[in-house]
Amino acid sequence: DVKVTQSSRYLVKRTGEKVFLECVQDMDHENMFWYRQDPGLGLRLIYFSYDVKMKEKGDIPEGYSVSREKKERFSLILESASTNQTSMYLCASSKNGQENTEAFFGQGTRLTVV
Amino acid sequence: KQEVTQIPAALSVPEGENLVLNCSFTDSAIYNLQWFRQDPGKGLTSLLLIQSSQREQTSGRLNASLDKSSGRSTLYIAASQPGDSATYLCAVELYNFNKFYFGSGTKLNVKP
Repeated sequence: DVKVTQSSRYLVKRTGEKVFLECVQDMDHENMFWYRQDPGLGLRLIYFSYDVKMKEKGDIPEGYSVSREKKERFSLILESASTNQTSMYLCASSKNGQENTEAFFGQGTRLTVV
Repeated sequence: KQEVTQIPAALSVPEGENLVLNCSFTDSAIYNLQWFRQDPGKGLTSLLLIQSSQREQTSGRLNASLDKSSGRSTLYIAASQPGDSATYLCAVELYNFNKFYFGSGTKLNVKP
């Protein structure tokens, strides 16, 4: 069974803290993604990576950075957490190319910044 | 930029009804379109993937169709059950780096 695993289901952090969200996939996928999901705004792409050490900005990268040192792991970093980063964060992975590029998602991390 | 729209935003039906969820997108240069299900507070579960060369895909009681030229996809759910209650999202995958763009979803409630 294919799997994308996010390190935490729920996190509560203080304003100004550095926050790490971890995502691991076991499908040998080239592409990995970080989205945030907010009521009324849907899923918005923060960053994605199509290979180890490669990253591309999505639609809302401000206040975030990412790291992909190994193919199976993609980390989202909030350099200095703020209350407007309270959200549901979703990690996904997919195969590169034109066929069989089905995306698989993790269970989500509900982050609250207080 | 690709815009993805889902109609209706919410739908409530009695158990047993057949129903159709709609998804439209503005740019037809897509690899694939994928339908997902999301239960409250959870991640997304993949339901069906339609490749750009295909017209439809079926899985059990679900059937999804794709018309690239008109920028539309439909998800047909046959004989709905209370367990089908969830939010259904469609996503189009662009040629550029396999990026996915999502609609805001249709929240389905199937009443017993």
